[in-house]
Amino acid sequence: AQKITQTQPGMFVQEKEAVTLDCTYDTSDPSYGLFWYKQPSSGEMIFLIYQGSYDQQNATEGRYSLNFQKARKSANLVISASQLGDSAMYFCAMRGAVSGGYQKVTFGTGTKLQVIP
Amino acid sequence: IAGITQAPTSQILAAGRRMTLRCTQDMRHNAMYWYRQDLGLGLRLIHYSNTAGTTGKGEVPDGYSVSRANTDDFPLTLASAVPSQTSVYFCASSDGPPGNEQFFGPGTRLTVL
Repeated sequence: AQKITQTQPGMFVQEKEAVTLDCTYDTSDPSYGLFWYKQPSSGEMIFLIYQGSYDQQNATEGRYSLNFQKARKSANLVISASQLGDSAMYFCAMRGAVSGGYQKVTFGTGTKLQVIP
Repeated sequence: IAGITQAPTSQILAAGRRMTLRCTQDMRHNAMYWYRQDLGLGLRLIHYSNTAGTTGKGEVPDGYSVSRANTDDFPLTLASAVPSQTSVYFCASSDGPPGNEQFFGPGTRLTVL
């Protein structure tokens, strides 16, 4: 079984500061991938960043970076220089091995980030 | 514009009625998915399709059915809607093996009274 835990229901950050959104995971699969998605108030799901379990370096995409600590089973999202437009819900997700005919993707319950001017 | 479209955007439905949520993608992705999003529960997979002509059950399939007659379309049907199916429904697709980055549609907000 695979599980994603996001322990921060909501967070505040001052504009232009960095913020870390926590994500821990549990899986018995040797190969897996970790994703972060952003969901603004308009409702759409926007892919942000991906980290494979065998990737040697932490993934980065512009102001987003994924702090991958395999031994701790954590995949925290770091947003540098926060902007007002970063206010949204953020979901951590994991894909694991094929189970029941598909490669299961499990989502966390999300963290609501609010950027303060 | 490439992407995924869903229809309707929102719907209010009486319990017991049949409803089909439509999903169309133009990215020629093999895999398609239906999720429901409920407050505090994140996204849960209802049904999936790895390729045209095949479908499978996800985590919460009861009360829903899907079909995949072609690559582009993946409709979700509620045969007899119940209030617990009130939710926001997202269709998604991915390229290559299932589990790669998923692209999401804009969602359908469904209320069952």
